[in-house]
Amino acid sequence: NAGVTQTPKFQVLKTGQSMTLQCAQDMNHEYMSWYRQDPGMGLRLIHYSVGAGITDQGEVPNGYNVSRSTTEDFPLRLLSAAPSQTSVYFCASSYSQGNEQFFGPGTRLTVL
Amino acid sequence: EDQVTQSPEALRLQEGESSSLNCSYTVSGLRGLFWYRQDPGKGPEFLFTLYSAGEEKEKERLKATLTKKESFLHITAPKPEDSATYLCAVRKNYGGSQGNLIFGKGTKLSVKP
Repeated sequence: NAGVTQTPKFQVLKTGQSMTLQCAQDMNHEYMSWYRQDPGMGLRLIHYSVGAGITDQGEVPNGYNVSRSTTEDFPLRLLSAAPSQTSVYFCASSYSQGNEQFFGPGTRLTVL
Repeated sequence: EDQVTQSPEALRLQEGESSSLNCSYTVSGLRGLFWYRQDPGKGPEFLFTLYSAGEEKEKERLKATLTKKESFLHITAPKPEDSATYLCAVRKNYGGSQGNLIFGKGTKLSVKP
C-alpha cells in the first residue's frame, strides 16, 4: 500500500493564480481531510469528506474548494491564490470520522 | 471554547533523561485523544489513541496516559532518534463538524547525545 500520496511536494504561485493539490489514498478509507500547518498555529482543518460525494467545511475554508467524486481521491483547489495561503498542506484519511488519521507527506506552497 | 494546549512548546533533553509532555484540553464529552509524532518535512505519524480516564498505552520508550482534563506522554530514557514534534489532538463528539479532530500546537522535543 502506498498509503496517502500528495502531489506536488513543492509549488510556487503568483497572486491570483489557481491550482489543484492532489491527494489519493489506497486504503479504502471513507474519511478524508485537508489541513494547513503554519508556524505557531498548529494543524487547522480546511475541508473534510465523510464519503464519496459528501464534503463539508472545516475551520478555515475560505479560498479553497474540494470535491470527492471517488473514495480514493480528494483534490483541494485554490481558486485565486493569495500570499496568506502560503503554508504546508497535509491531506489525511481514516477508516471513519474520528478514527486515527494517516497523513500524506505534505505540499509546501508559496504564494508570491 | 474548545481548546487543546500543549506544554512545553519546546523541550531539550540529554540522552537517557526521562521527562513528560503535557496535553490539556477543555472540551466536554471527550470521544478520543490522539498522539502523533511529526518529523521535520514530513506528515504526522499516529502513535496512540486514548478514550477514557485512567487508560494507558505504551510503545517502546513512550507511554501515554489520560485523565479527565489532560494527557501525558512520558518518554523514558530517550534517544536522539526520539527528537521530533509531538502533536496532541482531541475528538469531542460523533458526527458533523464536531466529529473532527482539534489539534494542539505541539511540543518540539530535542534529545542530545
